[in-house]
Amino acid sequence: GDSVTQMEGPVTLSEEAFLTINCTYTATGYPSLFWYVQYPGEGLQLLLKATKADDKGSNKGFEATYRKETTSFHLEKGSVQVSDSAVYFCALSVYTGANSKLTFGKGITLSVRP
Amino acid sequence: DSGVTQTPKHLITATGQRVTLRCSPRSGDLSVYWYQQSLDQGLQFLIQYYNGEERAKGNILERFSAQQFPDLHSELNLSSLELGDSALYFCASSVGPSGGDNEQFFGPGTRLTVL
Repeated sequence: GDSVTQMEGPVTLSEEAFLTINCTYTATGYPSLFWYVQYPGEGLQLLLKATKADDKGSNKGFEATYRKETTSFHLEKGSVQVSDSAVYFCALSVYTGANSKLTFGKGITLSVRP
Repeated sequence: DSGVTQTPKHLITATGQRVTLRCSPRSGDLSVYWYQQSLDQGLQFLIQYYNGEERAKGNILERFSAQQFPDLHSELNLSSLELGDSALYFCASSVGPSGGDNEQFFGPGTRLTVL
């Protein structure tokens, strides 16, 4: 079946540090890949996505590149801010034409200290 | 604000009871999804409806059922509740049933506590 593996957390960084959160996947078909963010007490928000190999998704300074050869979709940001403190989920969806269910990784908590 | 509303925000009940969680999708969205977020299982897909029709089923227990009504709102019914059902239940909605650009928008969730 489909699965997503994220690096173990939590992660604590100082403001302006470089961030990398690893994500690898296995899929039965050709997936689209997503990063979602969950701020404290809120629902999930789509951060960025990529729908085909070598696509780069980007938003709010975050980037991730769809690497089919390594089945990875690592999230990066050059300089994190305190406001980036949240839980980050990597997810995939294999489109069958009939449905769009998302398969999520376990999530990783990021804390950024001033 | 995603435009997806869920009620109630919090629900506290006892084992063996039955509860109903409600979701209203964004205006214009025809698909509704339910997800369960728990500490041990993480975020898991439960079920998807599109325009009143069931489209996909995930790890949904037989004690749980859902439906989507003609006005497109959806309800998730949880019965014979157990302690392990305590979790955050998210609803999401999207325009279509599938596709690479079929972005799902998530509601704020209903936190269920079973005592």
